[in-house]
Amino acid sequence: NAGVTQTPKFRVLKTGQSMTLLCAQDMNHEYMYWYRQDPGMGLRLIHYSVGEGTTAKGEVPDGYNVSRLKKQNFLLGLESAAPSQTSVYFCASSYRGTVSYEQYFGPGTRLTVT
Amino acid sequence: AQKITQTQPGMFVQEKEAVTLDCTYDTSDQSYGLFWYKQPSSGEMIFLIYQGSYDEQNATEGRYSLNFQKARKSANLVISASQLGDSAMYFCAMKVTGGGNKLTFGTGTQLKVEL
Repeated sequence: NAGVTQTPKFRVLKTGQSMTLLCAQDMNHEYMYWYRQDPGMGLRLIHYSVGEGTTAKGEVPDGYNVSRLKKQNFLLGLESAAPSQTSVYFCASSYRGTVSYEQYFGPGTRLTVT
Repeated sequence: AQKITQTQPGMFVQEKEAVTLDCTYDTSDQSYGLFWYKQPSSGEMIFLIYQGSYDEQNATEGRYSLNFQKARKSANLVISASQLGDSAMYFCAMKVTGGGNKLTFGTGTQLKVEL
């Protein structure tokens, strides 16, 4: 049982390049989330999904796109990377239902845009 | 909109002492949950403890307890008998019912445990 995994763990991009971050979970969770963590700002929600084929915007969605074609996977795309997108990206998942269900986090992806 | 405030950017505590990390929250929802996560220097997010808005008793998990004062909208984390391994960043977060059960995080408190 791997929990939540993220690929890649580290990446360096040049401004304008594109990339996709992959998140996978094996806990059969309905809900999945992408956050970014910047120094002094905590974690901020980028996009989330409440089920296969559905996505929604979070607090800081600009410059990112997401897709959830399979229940266990949630992809985060950067079409044209900018230095402001240098951050640590966390994926999380949880069961649907009451607020008591915790979110399980992946190990994070450290992205640097030069 | 929900908001979490953690006013202590950094805290020091001596080993074996207790420490309280402050968290205040703001929401107009009646049903919500409060969470604390630990982030060691290795970077992973570790769930510590949960408190529901309708829970009458304060939550406890081993050396962690949550001092929940609903009227004051505070949810402070108390760590008893601090250990060197408790040195980490600690985040308070809140979730309200519906809309994907999204978490809103505070900015965190960096705790350092000293000998």
